[in-house]
Amino acid sequence: AQSVSQHNHHVILSEAASLELGCNYSYGGTVNLFWYVQYPGQHLQLLLKYFSGDPLVKGIKGFEAEFIKSKFSFNLRKPSVQWSDTAEYFCAVILTSGTYKYIFGTGTRLKVLA
Amino acid sequence: EAGVAQSPRYKIIEKRQSVAFWCNPISGHATLYWYQQILGQGPKLLIQFQNNGVVDDSQLPKDRFSAERLKGVDSTLKIQPAKLEDSAVYLCASSLDLKPIRDEQFFGPGTRLTVL
Repeated sequence: AQSVSQHNHHVILSEAASLELGCNYSYGGTVNLFWYVQYPGQHLQLLLKYFSGDPLVKGIKGFEAEFIKSKFSFNLRKPSVQWSDTAEYFCAVILTSGTYKYIFGTGTRLKVLA
Repeated sequence: EAGVAQSPRYKIIEKRQSVAFWCNPISGHATLYWYQQILGQGPKLLIQFQNNGVVDDSQLPKDRFSAERLKGVDSTLKIQPAKLEDSAVYLCASSLDLKPIRDEQFFGPGTRLTVL
């Protein structure tokens, strides 16, 4: 069965530290990839997405992610986090055939200390 | 642009009772999703509609859960009877296209259900 794994469930960083959140998926076919974020008290919202082309994609608020097809990975990065990045981050894939089902990872809860 | 609306925001019921949730997607969005998010887990797709037709309900516990999307607009999700393990946040989301492989999903605020 298709699945998405996020290995870090909780991450605590100090402001200005660099961030990398891991995401791996298991599916042999073509997928499109997303990162969503949920800030405290807010709705889930899109951070960035990858469909094709340059495997390094840039999103909002200085986030970027790199798709490595051979590793089935789509890791999220930010060079220098801010207190306002405290949130829960979800990786998601959508299968590009069949019913176009979205599959979410279990999420990583990031806390940035001021 | 108005977002995805959901009601109620919170609901507490006893096991074996029934409950219904309502979702109004963004106007013009063809695809509507219901997710179940249990504490500490990611959203799990329960059912996906394209207009008013069901595309995927493979993870919907059909013996107790039902959903409909009348006229391809708003939708209701019902649980009857509820079990303790149904305690979760129920999220509704919508996206623009019928084949949303590149579409962003827009999420509502969710309904937090507690089953006692």
